[in-house]
Amino acid sequence: NAGVTQTPKFQVLKTGQSMTLQCAQDMNHNSMYWYRQDPGMGLRLIYYSASEGTTDKGEVPNGYNVSRLNKREFSLRLESAAPSQTSVYFCASGINYGYTFGSGTRLTVV
Amino acid sequence: RKEVEQDPGPFNVPEGATVAFNCTYSNSASQSFFWYRQDCRKEPKLLMSVYSSGNEDGRFTAQLNRASQYISLLIRDSKLSDSATYLCVVNTAYGGSQGNLIFGKGTKLSVKP
Repeated sequence: NAGVTQTPKFQVLKTGQSMTLQCAQDMNHNSMYWYRQDPGMGLRLIYYSASEGTTDKGEVPNGYNVSRLNKREFSLRLESAAPSQTSVYFCASGINYGYTFGSGTRLTVV
Repeated sequence: RKEVEQDPGPFNVPEGATVAFNCTYSNSASQSFFWYRQDCRKEPKLLMSVYSSGNEDGRFTAQLNRASQYISLLIRDSKLSDSATYLCVVNTAYGGSQGNLIFGKGTKLSVKP
């Protein structure tokens, strides 16, 4: 049972490049989430999807787009990466009694 | 006022010590409460839920005080393996409604031999 799988684990981008972070869960959860974690800032919600076909903005959505491809998959896209988007990104799934997180993507934008 | 506030630490304690972490939350409508553990460069993992009556899981005890909007985590007989960052987490979801978890910035614990 893999839980939540994120790819890639590491990525270096140049400013202005685009990329998509992939996330898949095998726990049959309706809700999925994307967070970023920066030193001293804690985990901040970027976007979430309460169910297949719906997405909503979180606390820090600017510069990102998401797609809930099906119940299992929720992707995060950076259309034009900026150095301010250097962070660790975590995907999670679950409902209000607790989330399961993926192992994270360490993204550096230079 | 931040939604979930924690003392960032670090708490440096010897093995075998008892250590307590506190957390306050600002939204009185918060309904669900948790402690997560995050090891260095790893993802957060659910440690335990926190109930109004208080709950215990081995060496770990969690307490909730709704009147004061305060959550605590007590770790007894600390082990080296307890070294991690502990995240206080709240959710305003009620019943079957959708809510999102709000994470505190975490309290760092370092247990020394």
